[in-house]
Amino acid sequence: EVQLVESGGGLVQPGGSLRLACAASGFTVSTNYMSWVRQAPGKGLEWVSVIYSGGLTYYTDSVKGRFTISRDNSENTLYLQMNSLRAEDTAVYYCARETVTRGSVMMDYWGQGTLVTVSS
Amino acid sequence: EIVMTQSPATLSVSPGETATLSCRASQSVSSNLAWYQQKPGQAPRLLIHGASTRATGIPARFSGSGSGTEFTLTISSLQSEDFAVYYCQQYNNWLRTFGQGTKVEIK
Repeated sequence: EVQLVESGGGLVQPGGSLRLACAASGFTVSTNYMSWVRQAPGKGLEWVSVIYSGGLTYYTDSVKGRFTISRDNSENTLYLQMNSLRAEDTAVYYCARETVTRGSVMMDYWGQGTLVTVSS
Repeated sequence: EIVMTQSPATLSVSPGETATLSCRASQSVSSNLAWYQQKPGQAPRLLIHGASTRATGIPARFSGSGSGTEFTLTISSLQSEDFAVYYCQQYNNWLRTFGQGTKVEIK
């Protein structure tokens, strides 16, 4: 059974750092595309970052230079290192597995999310 | 950046009726579009990918159509469990963007 479990969220001051983790089971992180998606309180979904199976990484403009997506193949875990955090980064952060099928790319499994609150 | 615009923001529908949700892309995304359902306090769930292919386990009352810049999600014979927020999402090259969502509420 495919499962994704996020951890690492919490309260952090503006300018601070946090590292989110997404532990996967039932599949191999390194052979899949993996994304982070966030949702500010009461708002819609916002894609944050993706890491491809080959290691390429991409970010939405608002987090470029501040966030880093990575994975630990031995731990089968996805990470999101978040630095220079701002109030507007406050959100529930979800990790999602992406599956590519006949050219379709879909986020077919999601974790339960972890809340990041940036406030003084 | 490709902007996804969903309409309406809120749709009031009676159980058993049909809901039609729209999603428009600011430039062509071919058929690189997915639809997700999200209920309060839950993670999103994949409904449709490739604009029209139902994901595994999704009931046939959910159908997707469109290509290029105009897409539609149709929910036939709405059930109580279908009242939720629905998001479209495009994937074009490496960039992914979501629409702002349509809330389907009980009329």
